[in-house]
Amino acid sequence: DAKTTQPPSMDCAEGRAANLPCNHSTISGNEYVYWYRQIHSQGPQYIIHGLKNNETNEMASLIITEDRKSSTLILPHATLRDTAVYYCIVRVGGTSYGKLTFGQGTILTVHP
Amino acid sequence: DTGVSQNPRHKITKRGQNVTFRCDPISEHNRLYWYRQTLGQGPEFLTYFQNEAQLEKSRLLSDRFSAERPKGSFSTLEIQRTEQGDSAMYLCASSVGTSGLHNEQFFGPGTRLTVL
Repeated sequence: DAKTTQPPSMDCAEGRAANLPCNHSTISGNEYVYWYRQIHSQGPQYIIHGLKNNETNEMASLIITEDRKSSTLILPHATLRDTAVYYCIVRVGGTSYGKLTFGQGTILTVHP
Repeated sequence: DTGVSQNPRHKITKRGQNVTFRCDPISEHNRLYWYRQTLGQGPEFLTYFQNEAQLEKSRLLSDRFSAERPKGSFSTLEIQRTEQGDSAMYLCASSVGTSGLHNEQFFGPGTRLTVL
């Protein structure tokens, strides 16, 4: 699975959009981009995934560049409860059973 | 609560002792995963079950570690002769086992192990 690079930490004001970048310059054509987050003292939680098109769900939006070498997770209106470690994961599709390879992630702090 | 549950939530043991953790996945999920997470790091994959079959083990899973899922439901992770380096959060996750690619993994709250 391709390696990802994320900033170690970011801040965001409550109510503003949080934009979390991820670089995955060695991504292969059959690899998907996944985002999970981990709130303190909890297990990770799935947020969203995509291949090459932008995706949106009730939690967030995922913007993937045309060359697929980077992506941005957008939390449109961050709240204090969004304070967490956010992990960008690139994983092979096809017959993969779904093992997740986590990096160190980005610590997002949402402040009042 | 129909989420993934793990017991105990915390375990303190002395070096050299054996410990066993239990994971109860979401009932209809036939895939079960164990991960280990040390402070400041992301979770690391340990092993994976499809029903009762253990299909992959990470090289992180030394011969002191053994995992079982005897009836394809709950799973146990045993660490024998614990070492201080085993201190970590042990996370369990489960997912449905269809052939689809995007089976979201649902994680439990973890068992925090401290080896003195």
